[in-house]
Amino acid sequence: EVKLQQSGDELVRPGASVKMSCKASGYTFTDYAMHWVKQSPGQGLEWIGTIIPLIDTTSYNQKFKGKATLTADKSSNTAYMELSRLTSEDSAVYYCARGRFAYWGQGTLVTVSS
Amino acid sequence: DVVLTQTPVSLSVTLGDQASISCRSSQSLEYSDGYTYLEWYLQKPGQSPQLLIYEVSNRFSGVPDRFIGSGSGTDFTLKISRVEPEDLGVYYCFQATHDPFTFGSGTKLEIK
Repeated sequence: EVKLQQSGDELVRPGASVKMSCKASGYTFTDYAMHWVKQSPGQGLEWIGTIIPLIDTTSYNQKFKGKATLTADKSSNTAYMELSRLTSEDSAVYYCARGRFAYWGQGTLVTVSS
Repeated sequence: DVVLTQTPVSLSVTLGDQASISCRSSQSLEYSDGYTYLEWYLQKPGQSPQLLIYEVSNRFSGVPDRFIGSGSGTDFTLKISRVEPEDLGVYYCFQATHDPFTFGSGTKLEIK
């Protein structure tokens, strides 16, 4: 069974960074790309970017360049996303999704507040 | 960026009736390889989005045949025949033809 287990919810201060994880199981991690998606009440669903773990190649939505950094650890079958210089606009649920967005993690809620 | 316009914004349907959702794109979604990367997702309350339809009309594994996707170019439709209680939620169309990938703003399906 394909499963994407995301890390727990985060409460972070403005200006700080946060790094979240997405641990994959039930398939060969390097066989599929991993995408990250933001869901916020004001902006709906937004594609942030994609990482191809096999070759460590990333592509980003221009809107999130400089905000999000995607990495992957093949040894632990885990994808990561780091968000930097957080503001209230970054408060949202963040999802990882595999391949053709066929499987999604349960989401990580990030709340940016002082 | 490609804008996907979904209509209606919300839909109230009697159980057993048909529901229809439109998704109109600001650009053609046919890719140079001949495929059209238009997908449909359902997000049930409190859950992650789940894939229903990929490449316009292909049902994902386990999706009932009550869900029918159609369309081409810039105009796409999702029809749900014989609506059941578990169909409630927000439906999103999504395009992966053009960078950046984009989602529609969603259609909320409620059961009367």
